[in-house]
Amino acid sequence: SAVISQKPSRDICQRGTSLTIQCQVDSQVTMMFWYRQQPGQSLTLIATANQGSEATYESGFVIDKFPISRPNLTFSTLTVSNMSPEDSSIYLCSVEERTAEAFFGQGTRLTVV
Amino acid sequence: GQQVMQIPQYQHVQEGEDFTTYCNSSTTLSNIQWYKQRPGGHPVFLIQLVKSGEVKKQKRLTFQFGEAKKNSSLHITATQTTDVGTYFCAGQNFNKFYFGSGTKLNVKP
Repeated sequence: SAVISQKPSRDICQRGTSLTIQCQVDSQVTMMFWYRQQPGQSLTLIATANQGSEATYESGFVIDKFPISRPNLTFSTLTVSNMSPEDSSIYLCSVEERTAEAFFGQGTRLTVV
Repeated sequence: GQQVMQIPQYQHVQEGEDFTTYCNSSTTLSNIQWYKQRPGGHPVFLIQLVKSGEVKKQKRLTFQFGEAKKNSSLHITATQTTDVGTYFCAGQNFNKFYFGSGTKLNVKP
């Protein structure tokens, strides 16, 4: 199974600033996803990170707010831009293996003050 | 849009009692997966169901996928305190996962 390293694990940020979250996988994977999980809530898919092309965003999420990079098959970043307290959440990267199992990073717990 | 509903939202049981959580999708799914998330942790894959009417067992856990591939259930027999956590179903369609709202299970010793 894929091993995913996600960092930072947590951060406290000032409103109006941006935070970039990194996701590193120990093997090449085709599908990488970014999710948001607000406290006590389910996971909401933000976007699919596509290698070599723009990410595919879900309804309610836009590139200007959540720019995503995917320079190769083992790495992706998610930036949360111009943060507000409403962006306080846990952000998770996920990869899908050939068996269609999804594996998750440990998550980044973001608090915006 | 794609929706996956999950009930109940919470379940409190006495250790040794059974527990069931149900998922229902608004559309037919290619497969459904189940995850467990411990407090403060990240979701951990439990199982995947692909075939219509499929039933799989993992020790005390029984997973079912409906005939129409739109609903699923997870049943735990004789719960233990180690079963505490939130159980999510995730329906997959067109290479995307749509997570249910989760069922938070609390087991009293």
